[in-house]
Amino acid sequence: ETGVTQSPTHLIKTRGQQVTLRCSSQSGHNTVSWYQQALGQGPQFIFQYYREEENGRGNFPPRFSGLQFPNYSSELNVNALELDDSALYLCASSPAQGENSPLHFGNGTRLTVT
Amino acid sequence: GDSVTQMEGPVTLSEEAFLTINCTYTATGYPSLFWYVQYPGEGLQLLLKATKADDKGSNKGFEATYRKETTSFHLEKGSVQVSDSAVYFCALTDSNYQLIWGAGTKLIIKP
Repeated sequence: ETGVTQSPTHLIKTRGQQVTLRCSSQSGHNTVSWYQQALGQGPQFIFQYYREEENGRGNFPPRFSGLQFPNYSSELNVNALELDDSALYLCASSPAQGENSPLHFGNGTRLTVT
Repeated sequence: GDSVTQMEGPVTLSEEAFLTINCTYTATGYPSLFWYVQYPGEGLQLLLKATKADDKGSNKGFEATYRKETTSFHLEKGSVQVSDSAVYFCALTDSNYQLIWGAGTKLIIKP
């Protein structure tokens, strides 16, 4: 069973640029969630995708967008990067929606914006 | 809105010491409660959970009891090991079934 994999592991971008982060969900999982974890903080929910549709969003501006593909892999896109976007971005997949469906996390992508 | 408050770290203990990491929450309704662990360089892993009042979650020697009257979900372990060194996160699910996280507590176990 392959776990959740994220790429790249580290990334450095300049303010104003755009970035795409990728996530391959665990086999058999149709739900993907993205989180932003600033240094020394807990994760903040960005959004969730279920069967290619966004079905939940946290308090993030529209320049944070995403996609889920037919194979349930996912992308997180961030436009017009700001210094405060520097964080660890975590992807989590689960076999279904709902609070009792366990989340499986990837190791994250460390984004640094300079 | 819903929130989770954890004790600040780092918490530094000697091997075989007793561990308590405090977690309290504010929520409307009756959330499920979780503890996640993040080992150095790794992603988050579910450690244990409890879905209703008075439930006790347990795993790998760790325990936490869902206390509705005190809105708490404190993590305990009777005898910690160096390998338990990690960051521990308390979390709850809100009314939309999304996770609300505490800020995390770093645990350092010295041999």
